[in-house]
Amino acid sequence: EAQVTQNPRYLITVTGKKLTVTCSQNMNHEYMSWYRQDPGLGLRQIYYSMNVEVTDKGDVPEGYKVSRKEKRNFPLILESPSPNQTSLYFCASSLRDRGSEAFFGQGTRLTVV
Amino acid sequence: GDSVTQMEGPVTLSEEAFLTINCTYTATGYPSLFWYVQYPGEGLQLLLKATKADDKGSNKGFEATYRKETTSFHLEKGSVQVSDSAVYFCALRLNRGPDKLIFGTGTRLQVFP
Repeated sequence: EAQVTQNPRYLITVTGKKLTVTCSQNMNHEYMSWYRQDPGLGLRQIYYSMNVEVTDKGDVPEGYKVSRKEKRNFPLILESPSPNQTSLYFCASSLRDRGSEAFFGQGTRLTVV
Repeated sequence: GDSVTQMEGPVTLSEEAFLTINCTYTATGYPSLFWYVQYPGEGLQLLLKATKADDKGSNKGFEATYRKETTSFHLEKGSVQVSDSAVYFCALRLNRGPDKLIFGTGTRLQVFP
């Protein structure tokens, strides 16, 4: 089954404790991206990657890091989480064709206390 | 800058009513346009798309037409069901420059029997 898998689904952590949210896709997509969803703001892009070892900032990259060492994986790293990073996070993948739709993971609800 | 504007919700309808959710966009060039739907506790999934002017996307009774002259992509359905209750997001993918997927803020639809 074609899918994007994120883990964990839920995470509560404390300010400053490094964490990683994993994302993996099995569709051989070149393009992967991370979004955060906040009430009244819709989805905002954090980082995206057009292929292995190629990443670029989205609209809200501050406080986040990503890496793309393998085509299927695109982890999101919060080196020192803060409460304003409490949000619902989605990973997505798609083909590089700009008419292609994105496939989304189930989401990770992160709470930073 | 590039952006998507969609009508505020919630939209509350009775079953079998006609649905319109307005979406307008600002972007250079000819972006691809998408409607995604998010059911409670789930990730986003593609509802329909259109990749060039005057294209009509359709799926599950929903339709939207890419109108370049009015920079719009309004979502319509002739007869909604309770199972259509969800949050609907309009989005665009730029066809030049940074490969970004830009979302509107989402519109919650509630359908009552």
